[in-house]
Amino acid sequence: GDSVTQMEGPVTLSEEAFLTINCTYTATGYPSLFWYVQYPGEGLQLLLKATKADDKGSNKGFEATYRKETTSFHLEKGSVQVSDSAVYFCARDTGRRALTFGSGTRLQVQP
Amino acid sequence: DAGVIQSPRHEVTEMGQEVTLRCKPISGHNSLFWYRQTMMRGLELLIYFNNNVPIDDSGMPEDRFSAKMPNASFSTLKIQPSEPRDSAVYFCASSFSGRKEIGELFFGEGSRLTVL
Repeated sequence: GDSVTQMEGPVTLSEEAFLTINCTYTATGYPSLFWYVQYPGEGLQLLLKATKADDKGSNKGFEATYRKETTSFHLEKGSVQVSDSAVYFCARDTGRRALTFGSGTRLQVQP
Repeated sequence: DAGVIQSPRHEVTEMGQEVTLRCKPISGHNSLFWYRQTMMRGLELLIYFNNNVPIDDSGMPEDRFSAKMPNASFSTLKIQPSEPRDSAVYFCASSFSGRKEIGELFFGEGSRLTVL
């Protein structure tokens, strides 16, 4: 089926630390891949996306590269800030114009 | 620009009561999604509509749940009768999707439902 697996959280980092949140997807077809972010009390919002193999999505210092050979789409940021504290969701296009989301990874950045 | 608007933001009800959640998508969007978020199960797709037509309702838990989209600017998710296990945050999202690819989903702020 169409599924996405994320590393479990919470991930706790100090400000300016390097962030990696792992995400892998089931290899049915070549889905578009997404990272969404949810700040406390809000709905999800798109952070970045990649639509084909080797594409790199980037936004607000976050990056993720579509790796077909490892079926992965890991989220990275070189230097996190307290304001990055949120829940991050990896998602894939199901091919039927809907998204399947991973379970979410909570990031806590301490000053 | 107004985003996706959901109501109510919070609902507390007793088991057995009917619950109706409402959503107004972004104008011009052709797809609408209902998701449910819980700690245990994460974010689950319940149903989605394209051009007001239900496309996939396989995520709807059981017959107690129903969703309608009578026009392009309004959708409802109804639970009748409600049960404590329905307690969750229900999100509505909309997008403009092409024939094969999905567009960016814009989420509402969610409706937090508590069934006592």
